[in-house]
Order: sequence, then structure tokens, then C-alpha cells
Amino acid sequence: DAGVIQSPRHEVTEMGQEVTLRCKPISGHNSLFWYRQTMMRGLELLIYFNNNVPIDDSGMPEDRFSAKMPNASFSTLKIQPSEPRDSAVYFCASSLPTGPNEKLFFGSGTQLSVL
Amino acid sequence: KQEVTQIPAALSVPEGENLVLNCSFTDSAIYNLQWFRQDPGKGLTSLLLIQSSQREQTSGRLNASLDKSSGRSTLYIAASQPGDSATYLCAVRDSGYSTLTFGKGTMLLVSP
Repeated sequence: DAGVIQSPRHEVTEMGQEVTLRCKPISGHNSLFWYRQTMMRGLELLIYFNNNVPIDDSGMPEDRFSAKMPNASFSTLKIQPSEPRDSAVYFCASSLPTGPNEKLFFGSGTQLSVL
Repeated sequence: KQEVTQIPAALSVPEGENLVLNCSFTDSAIYNLQWFRQDPGKGLTSLLLIQSSQREQTSGRLNASLDKSSGRSTLYIAASQPGDSATYLCAVRDSGYSTLTFGKGTMLLVSP
């Protein structure tokens, strides 16, 4: 099992540029989550999908952020245009809903720096 | 809205000590609680999950307890080792239809 795979591991870009983060969940998992982690705010849920459908996007900070899940094995998080305050580590996680024992599995994250 | 607090924010101990990490949550009607470990530059790894009907879970040198009525959980690490150095995060799930709410974590350093 390869685990949750995220790319790129690091992204450095200039303010105003478009950034696309990618995620491949664990095969068979039908829930996918995008989180953002900063020192000040900790881990924040941005959006989550169930069976490729966005269920809750209330954590998406503004219209500059968008996420898609075109199929069960791929999701993207896009920021356009990017701003310095978007600098953070972005994590993707997946799970298989199994009731009270449902566990979340995280990718290694994408470290985003917007200059 | 559920809020999760972890105290202390950082902890430094010598190798061999037993230690306790604390997690508190504001809404006691939870579905389950998870403890995660995060190494620098890495993602989170689930360590222990306690269902709302359970009082504790154990895995090796780790023991997590849950007291829903007081809104608290503790992670006990026995005979700490330098390899235990990491950030430990607590996360609470309010229902079967909700997502996890995370604390900001406790950064642990175990020195040889």
C-alpha cells in the first residue's frame, strides 16, 4: 500500500501565479480531505469529498481556492491567484468510512511558499 | 463549535521518563478521539483511536485515556526514547457525519 501520495513536495512561486497541488488517495478509500497547516492556526480543514462529491467546502478561505476530484484516485487543490498569506503546508488525507473506528491517513504534504 | 486544546505546547524530557500529554475539548458529545504523531516535514500518523464508548486504548508504550464527562483525554508515554521526539496532535470527531477537529499539538523532545 503506497499510502496517500501528494505532489509536489515543495512549491515556491511568486504572488499572482497559479498553484496546483495534487493528491492520490489510498486505493479503495472513498473520503478525501484537504487540510492546511500553519503555526498560527494549526490544522484547518479546507474541503472534503465523499465518493468524489464535495460535501463541505466551508473551510475554503475564498474564491481564489478551488478543489476538484474528477475520479476516485485523483484530486487537485488550486490557488489562483496565489498570495503570500497562502504560504503553508497543505495536506491531503483519505479514509474509508467504517463507523467509529474510521481512521484518517495523511500524505506527506506540500510545502507552499508564495513570495 | 468544538474546540480542542492541548497543553503543554512543548515539552522536553530526558530519556526514560514517563510522561503525559493532555487534550481537552469543549463539547463532550463526541463520536471518537484520535491521537496522531507528526514528524518534522512529514504528514500525520494515527497512533490510537478511542471510540466514545471506550475509556482507553493501548499500543506498546502508549496508552490513551478518554473522560468524556470532563472533556479530557491523555496520552501516556512510558519509558520515553529519543525516537519519540515529534509533535503529538489530538483530534476529535463529533459525529459519524462530521470531520475531525484538531488541537495545535504538543511538541515533544526526548533527549538522550
